Amino acid sequence: NAGVTQTPKFQVLKTGQSMTLQCAQDMNHEYMSWYRQDPGMGLRLIHYSVGAGITDQGEVPNGYNVSRSTTEDFPLRLLSAAPSQTSVYFCASSRREGLISPLHFGNGTRLTVT
Amino acid sequence: AQTVTQSQPEMSVQEAETVTLSCTYDTSESDYYLFWYKQPPSRQMILVIRQEAYKQQNATENRFSVNFQKAAKSFSLKISDSQLGDAAMYFCAAGGTGTASKLTFGTGTRLQVTL
Repeated sequence: NAGVTQTPKFQVLKTGQSMTLQCAQDMNHEYMSWYRQDPGMGLRLIHYSVGAGITDQGEVPNGYNVSRSTTEDFPLRLLSAAPSQTSVYFCASSRREGLISPLHFGNGTRLTVT
Repeated sequence: AQTVTQSQPEMSVQEAETVTLSCTYDTSESDYYLFWYKQPPSRQMILVIRQEAYKQQNATENRFSVNFQKAAKSFSLKISDSQLGDAAMYFCAAGGTGTASKLTFGTGTRLQVTL
């Protein structure tokens, strides 16, 4: 049972480049989300999805796009990378919406934008 | 909306001793959950303990327990019989039951465990 898998583990981008951070879960979880972790700021919610075809914005959505075409996958797209997007990104999932189901986190992607 | 405050950036404890990490929160939600997550150097986020706000009884998980003071909006984590493997960043988090699993995290406390 792989849980929540994030790829890549590390990535370096130049300003203006685009890329997609991948997130996949094999637990048939309805709910998936993306957080970013910056030094001294804890984790902040970027986007989330309560099921296939449904996405919504979190606290810091600007500069990111998401889609949820399948239950398993929830990719995060950076359209035009900026140095302010240098961060560690975490994908998390839970069986269903609502915190009665605990969140399972992936191991994170460290992104550096130069 | 909610805010979570961890006022201790770093803490240190000797092996086998007990340490308490502090967390205060504020929320407009009538029903909510509180969490402590552990993040070791591997970067993985590991759920340590969870408290449902409507439950008065403090949650416990083996050597980990919480002191939940609802009126004071305080949610501290006590680690008993500290082990070297407990060394990590610890994050306190809060989320409303009706907020689509959105969690608000504190800034973290780095715990060192010494021999």
